[in-house]
Amino acid sequence: DAKTTQPPSMDCAEGRAANLPCNHSTISGNEYVYWYRQIHSQGPQYIIHGLKNNETNEMASLIITEDRKSSTLILPHATLRDTAVYYCIVRPFNTGNQFYFGTGTSLTVIP
Amino acid sequence: ETGVTQTPRHLVMGMTNKKSLKCEQHLGHNAMYWYKQSAKKPLELMFVYSLEERVENNSVPSRFSPECPNSSHLFLHLHTLQPEDSALYLCASSQQTGDPEAFFGQGTRLTVV
Repeated sequence: DAKTTQPPSMDCAEGRAANLPCNHSTISGNEYVYWYRQIHSQGPQYIIHGLKNNETNEMASLIITEDRKSSTLILPHATLRDTAVYYCIVRPFNTGNQFYFGTGTSLTVIP
Repeated sequence: ETGVTQTPRHLVMGMTNKKSLKCEQHLGHNAMYWYKQSAKKPLELMFVYSLEERVENNSVPSRFSPECPNSSHLFLHLHTLQPEDSALYLCASSQQTGDPEAFFGQGTRLTVV
């Protein structure tokens, strides 16, 4: 039960910003938005999470709409190494044991 | 390198074999997880351990048997598997169950023949 909707695939030119959308229209007030990515043949990697304010770290920025029904993960300067499947997940913070990974968005960064 | 190490990276086994997957973390984490990733399917949580106690078992067949002897090690014992059990098996750990950031190993690619 992933509770999120993402486009199955996207392309982005190397050096440009990659904007990955996610719809989570049924998100509850106590649920956070998390982003993970999985590079081919590796385990998933945590990227960022947020509740309602925009968040930024060394990897990416997370923009959450005011109604919290959608969000966008931004990779400001995509590199070839950012080619991966990106998963958007909603879950209560610090409760529950699992992340429900949906099918994600397969991002291809093109030289 | 995430600090979570899985061995072996690849395993081929017959349906009558018994084998074990190993996961090790020295991050000081208290929670460890087994996930299964089949081709073209989302990751599925199999088992959750917190301080060496199993806290979740997501309707996994008994041919998969987890073991957590201490907080740094997690095993998945396999016996009489089926070809449809072929998948990537991923181990993860986090400081506590429910933490926002889980650290995943690189997985064991299992093929059942």
